[in-house]
Amino acid sequence: AQSVSQHNHHVILSEAASLELGCNYSYGGTVNLFWYVQYPGQHLQLLLKYFSGDPLVKGIKGFEAEFIKSKFSFNLRKPSVQWSDTAEYFCAVTDSGTYKYIFGTGTRLKVLA
Amino acid sequence: DAGVIQSPRHEVTEMGQEVTLRCKPISGHNSLFWYRQTMMRGLELLIYFNNNVPIDDSGMPEDRFSAKMPNASFSTLKIQPSEPRDSAVYFCASSLRGLDYGYTFGSGTRLTVV
Repeated sequence: AQSVSQHNHHVILSEAASLELGCNYSYGGTVNLFWYVQYPGQHLQLLLKYFSGDPLVKGIKGFEAEFIKSKFSFNLRKPSVQWSDTAEYFCAVTDSGTYKYIFGTGTRLKVLA
Repeated sequence: DAGVIQSPRHEVTEMGQEVTLRCKPISGHNSLFWYRQTMMRGLELLIYFNNNVPIDDSGMPEDRFSAKMPNASFSTLKIQPSEPRDSAVYFCASSLRGLDYGYTFGSGTRLTVV
């Protein structure tokens, strides 16, 4: 069965620090990959997505993610975080034959001002 | 577009009562999903519909939970009878298959069963 692992459950950074959140999935076929963000008290919002093509995907608010097929990874990055990036981040995967997402357990990011 | 609309935003009910959560997906979206979010279990897919037909309800925890989608613009998730362990945030999401697999989530219903 497909699964998604986010190994960092809690991350605390100072403003202007660089961010990388790990996401690994287990599935041998063609996958679609997503990162969602959930700000405190709000619903999930799509940050970025990968279907095919350039493995480096740029999303909103300065976030990017790199798909490395050989490592089954889709890590989220941001060169310089801001206090307003404090949120929970979810990685999700779905295979090309279905649009049923498998979500990771989420990573809570706290950015200190 | 107003996005995915869920009601109510908050619901507090007593154990044993029936609870009905409502969702209006984005017009034209043909897939609808109900998720439950708790601190302990994260995001769990309860059920999803395609073209108003339930495709996968394997995530529905037990018979106390039921979901319907009588038409393309409305879905309900019902819990009867409710229990304290059902307390969670319930999200509805919709998507348009074929063009964009990204979901649009509603703002959620925070359910508290006392």
